[in-house]
Amino acid sequence: EAGVTQSPTHLIKTRGQQATLRCSPISGHTSVYWYQQALGLGLQFLLWYDEGEERNRGNFPPRFSGRQFPNYSSELNVNALELEDSALYLCASSLEIGRTEAFFGQGTRLTVV
Amino acid sequence: QKEVEQNSGPLSVPEGAIASLNCTYSDRGSQSFFWYRQYSGKSPELIMFIYSNGDKEDGRFTAQLNKASQYVSLLIRDSQPSDSATYLCAVTLSGGSYIPTFGRGTSLIVHP
Repeated sequence: EAGVTQSPTHLIKTRGQQATLRCSPISGHTSVYWYQQALGLGLQFLLWYDEGEERNRGNFPPRFSGRQFPNYSSELNVNALELEDSALYLCASSLEIGRTEAFFGQGTRLTVV
Repeated sequence: QKEVEQNSGPLSVPEGAIASLNCTYSDRGSQSFFWYRQYSGKSPELIMFIYSNGDKEDGRFTAQLNKASQYVSLLIRDSQPSDSATYLCAVTLSGGSYIPTFGRGTSLIVHP
């Protein structure tokens, strides 16, 4: 069974540009979580999608947004990139609401220069 | 403020010893508790989850939960150098939110 897959693995952008990160959950999983992990810091919750809807978002500015597609894959968009957005972005999926064993993808390393 | 607390370490143990990792949480209504292992530069890997008070064992790992004390721990028996990693505690908060909230992690070093 394939795990959570994220693309791209690495992404280099210039300040002010937009970045799009993609996530495919484990087959059958409907919930997708996005986290940011800046160097030396913990995992900060960004967004939660389930059944195509945004269920909750963390304490991040509106330029962090995303969506979930009918096949439950998801994308995270970051507009007007700032240097502080450089981090490892992690996507996790879980089977359904209430079954919260979440499994992570390998992450996307975003570098803003 | 709802949060999850872990000692950042590093916790250093000799090979073959028992490593004990601890986590406290502030939300008394928390329902689900998880331990993840994260190697440097890699993504977190789920190694244990526990929902009820008491102990849960899986191989060399034992998770212990005490909801009255708002405390969850992970014991690693017969520690190996390959266990050297950062261990993240995660808790899902009460109030209908099923979002895993993570502690900052404890760095474990197992030396030969």
